[in-house]
Amino acid sequence: QKEVEQNSGPLSVPEGAIASLNCTYSDRGSQSFFWYRQYSGKSPELIMSIYSNGDKEDGRFTAQLNKASQYVSLLIRDSQPSDSATYLCAVRGGGADGLTFGKGTHLIIQP
Amino acid sequence: GAVVSQHPSWVICKSGTSVKIECRSLDFQATTMFWYRQFPKQSLMLMATSNEGSKATYEQGVEKDKFLINHASLTLSTLTVTSAHPEDSSFYICSAKTTGRVTDTQYFGPGTRLTVL
Repeated sequence: QKEVEQNSGPLSVPEGAIASLNCTYSDRGSQSFFWYRQYSGKSPELIMSIYSNGDKEDGRFTAQLNKASQYVSLLIRDSQPSDSATYLCAVRGGGADGLTFGKGTHLIIQP
Repeated sequence: GAVVSQHPSWVICKSGTSVKIECRSLDFQATTMFWYRQFPKQSLMLMATSNEGSKATYEQGVEKDKFLINHASLTLSTLTVTSAHPEDSSFYICSAKTTGRVTDTQYFGPGTRLTVL
């Protein structure tokens, strides 16, 4: 069974600091990796996608992928109170279209 | 771009009734749409994959006769919860997949909160 693991938190980070979110996955055949942000009562919003090993940067966000270690991470630089949300790691396996989600990490940015 | 809408945003119904939820891709054609369910403080769980013009593929443990999915066009998929019961109360979220060279991003609709009394 495919699994995606995340620390549920809450992870508390001071405003302006770097927030680091981690995710591991069980299916070695996984092809695509995503980070979504979800505010309470809302649907997920795509933050980043990453498909190959290494780093991918988009504004204040950097996604990191290490397929050998089956590990994905998301760094948020210059954290803002508006970044406070639950961050969901999602993985698409080889040959499958649907996403497998982790339970999410609740991030709190302290002003 | 890549906007997905859902209707209704919330619905309250009596036990035993059926509820239909619509999912539309507004500015792109989606050959594949997905239906997820999220219980309070839980993550999203994939229920089924809906392909235009063909039968939906359901995940293990999801009753296909209870959760009827129709994907009649490239921009519309519907989920009908038949004979709903209180345990079906949940946040139902659809997504639609865009296709590209190597990307396969799913964009989510705003969700439908179903409460069964």
